[in-house]
Amino acid sequence: GEEVAQTPKHLVRGEGQKAKLYCAPIKGHSYVFWYQQVLKNEFKFLISFQNENVFDETGMPKERFSAKCLPNSPCSLEIQATKLEDSAVYFCASSPTRTSGNEQFFGPGTRLTVL
Amino acid sequence: DQQVKQNSPSLSVQEGRISILNCDYTNSMFDYFLWYKKYPAEGPTFLISISSIKDKNEDGRFTVFLNKSAKHLSLHIVPSQPGDSAVYFCAATNYGQNFVFGPGTRLSVLP
Repeated sequence: GEEVAQTPKHLVRGEGQKAKLYCAPIKGHSYVFWYQQVLKNEFKFLISFQNENVFDETGMPKERFSAKCLPNSPCSLEIQATKLEDSAVYFCASSPTRTSGNEQFFGPGTRLTVL
Repeated sequence: DQQVKQNSPSLSVQEGRISILNCDYTNSMFDYFLWYKKYPAEGPTFLISISSIKDKNEDGRFTVFLNKSAKHLSLHIVPSQPGDSAVYFCAATNYGQNFVFGPGTRLSVLP
């Protein structure tokens, strides 16, 4: 599609439950990025993919967080055993190339609330 | 330890005047800097970028200035319009990796 699509728009989970977020990048874009924005503060980079391969995972918490981008499927970000501090808006972005100055096209975000 | 800082959380400007948003960074390895605009309940949208080898880039009403020695960049919007009211994020990257965003500055353009 012409826009980055993220589902669901809102997600509510009890502490300890699993949360799974989805992102469909713009058709033809090879790079996908995930960001976490807590309390309207700065965006924290989590992970990026080049097609189905992890490109940069330096921001990804080692425990509980995992992500995939499989062919012919939306990309996903999964949080096992959610904690209160995981409450945030999770943004996905896609880009046609990895060139530094190339803009990333952002989706509308998924708001995760952990109770 | 913030690598990208936007020290003004908010800014109010009269319509038609110039808006100047500032951004400071600490990592001298950043090679590109980008500005994004964000409306409530939407994802950020790209505005303008600048390579570390340049000191100015202009696109319509938007101009970004980079002072590498001071590790400082600024976004100028002139003339400011009410539709420019949004949160503006400065971002930096190191050769396409490690995108780092600042905390944002909320711009209000008053009619």
